[in-house]
Amino acid sequence: KAGVTQTPRYLIKTRGQQVTLSCSPISGHRSVSWYQQTPGQGLQFLFEYFSETQRNKGNFPGRFSGRQFSNSRSEMNVSTLELGDSALYLCASSWGLAGARSYNEQFFGPGTRLTVL
Amino acid sequence: AQSVTQLDSHVSVSEGTPVLLRCNYSSSYSPSLFWYVQHPNKGLQLLLKYTSAATLVKGINGFEAEFKKSETSFHLTKPSAHMSDAAEYFCVVNTNAGKSTFGDGTTLTVKP
Repeated sequence: KAGVTQTPRYLIKTRGQQVTLSCSPISGHRSVSWYQQTPGQGLQFLFEYFSETQRNKGNFPGRFSGRQFSNSRSEMNVSTLELGDSALYLCASSWGLAGARSYNEQFFGPGTRLTVL
Repeated sequence: AQSVTQLDSHVSVSEGTPVLLRCNYSSSYSPSLFWYVQHPNKGLQLLLKYTSAATLVKGINGFEAEFKKSETSFHLTKPSAHMSDAAEYFCVVNTNAGKSTFGDGTTLTVKP
């Protein structure tokens, strides 16, 4: 079974631009979560989508948005990029809601490294 | 509210010696707990998870963790460290709140 794939793997943008990152979950998984990882802030939860609906959201500004398609693939968008948005963006998929007490483990993709100049 | 604290940001051991990575959690409900490992420039990989079936959980690559409710801890151990164990380790707690909370991570260095 193929793992979680993320595209692109590396991205360089300039301040003020917008960016779209893509995540394809493991086949059969309905939940996709996004995380931002930086050396200073660690791993921070952005949002989770399940069956095309946003189920949970972290403490990020409205410039960060996402969506999920009927085939469970997900995209996240960051508008008006700032230097502080430079980070590794990780996508994770799970069979059910990631935070539920059904002990769903999350399967992570390799991440997209975004650099904002 | 739930939270998780990894007590050490960095741990350094010599190859062949035991590894102990400490994690304490706070949860209003009976939690589910996970340990993930992240090697440089890679995504996270599940090491093990606590599902309430047994307090001592065995994972991949010789790692295990013990759930201690009285101490609200879920420490990760390995009897003998290998060079390939050098990585960052994350403790994660899920509860009825519906969110996964990650610890700040512990960087494990293994010296030859």
